[in-house]
Amino acid sequence: SQTIHQWPATLVQPVGSPLSLECTVEGTSNPNLYWYRQAAGRGLQLLFYSVGIGQISSEVPQNLSASRPQDRQFILSSKKLLLSDSGFYLCAWKTGGGTEAFFGQGTRLTVV
Amino acid sequence: AQSVAQPEDQVNVAEGNPLTVKCTYSVSGNPYLFWYVQYPNRGLQFLLKYITGDNLVKGSYGFEAEFNKSQTSFHLKKPSALVSDSALYFCAVRDPNAGNNRKLIWGLGTSLAVNP
Repeated sequence: SQTIHQWPATLVQPVGSPLSLECTVEGTSNPNLYWYRQAAGRGLQLLFYSVGIGQISSEVPQNLSASRPQDRQFILSSKKLLLSDSGFYLCAWKTGGGTEAFFGQGTRLTVV
Repeated sequence: AQSVAQPEDQVNVAEGNPLTVKCTYSVSGNPYLFWYVQYPNRGLQFLLKYITGDNLVKGSYGFEAEFNKSQTSFHLKKPSALVSDSALYFCAVRDPNAGNNRKLIWGLGTSLAVNP
């Protein structure tokens, strides 16, 4: 069966420090991968999505970037974190021809 | 423009009573519709979907939803609420004709509180 792993679960980082959040999917090939941010425990904002290795689409210009170095690995990064980058970050995947997406457990990022 | 509306920020219901969480959408054509649930500090869990066919779809944990094309609605329902159903519920829609993008469009969520 397919599983999605996202880590770390929580992270506290100082302003100006770098960020790297990792997401991996097991049990499937060539998934579509997504990074979302959820602010204040409510609405979801799509940050990036990827339909294949090295293919990244950015939805919102911001202080973050994403990379997909391997088929089932999706990384969210920042060179210098801002206070406004705090939030709950969710990774998700779905098959290319599938309908519903499946989510990781999320990373609570607090920038101090 | 494509959009999803969840008109209620919060729904309160007594345990054992039926519950409804509302969702309306604005998407051209025949949309794919989804409901997800999120427990505190957790990722979203898929509950159910409507793609085609019977307007009443059944999902996990006893939830069901009814697709109403004329009212462009996809309300989530459960005949008898449990305290453990208390969570944040998200409605989402995808336009299957939106090309390779075909992103999910999300509602802002409805917080369901089931009181014992």
